[in-house]
Amino acid sequence: KAGVTQTPRYLIKTRGQQVTLSCSPISGHRSVSWYQQTPGQGLQFLFEYFSETQRNKGNFPGRFSGRQFSNSRSEMNVSTLELGDSALYLCASSLVQLGGGEAFFGQGTRLTVV
Amino acid sequence: ILNVEQSPQSLHVQEGDSTNFTCSFPSSNFYALHWYRWETAKSPEALFVMTLNGDEKKKGRISATLNTKEGYSYLYIKGSQPEDSATYLCAFYDNNAGNMLTFGGGTRLMVKP
Repeated sequence: KAGVTQTPRYLIKTRGQQVTLSCSPISGHRSVSWYQQTPGQGLQFLFEYFSETQRNKGNFPGRFSGRQFSNSRSEMNVSTLELGDSALYLCASSLVQLGGGEAFFGQGTRLTVV
Repeated sequence: ILNVEQSPQSLHVQEGDSTNFTCSFPSSNFYALHWYRWETAKSPEALFVMTLNGDEKKKGRISATLNTKEGYSYLYIKGSQPEDSATYLCAFYDNNAGNMLTFGGGTRLMVKP
């Protein structure tokens, strides 16, 4: 079956702009979670959506937001981009709520802010 | 902020060696402990999700144990192969502090042929 698909794979944006990243989960999975990976901070949890509701959010400013659609596809938005937002953004989908089962990760979106 | 620590940070072994590494996590409000393998240029891949104290799980040459009372998990690789070279991540899920998955910094394993 198809895996988790993230688009775009690479993105270059200018400081101050906003960006939207997309994640299509594995069919039937209702949980989508997002992560930021930077060399200095490792893999950090951003938020999780389950059945179109945000369940939880990590320690990130309000510039980071997301949503989930009725088909479980999810988008993540970052407004007023800063240089420090340059990172690999991963999404993962799970059959059940995060924690209860394994997460299946996409290949990520590499965002560079210049 | 929850503290999940992995040791060692990196490990170089010869093909055929057996190895193990540690994940330490808070012993309170435990819900689950995940292990993932992350190969370069690929996505993280789930190895185990462990929920019960004393749990032992095995997948091929890789196995893991869990001690929730003292807050640690061990990952073992028997007879390491070059294809085992990857970063191994553990992630702690608690059911109190916001229901999030907190990752350790990872152990980078390099297996020399």
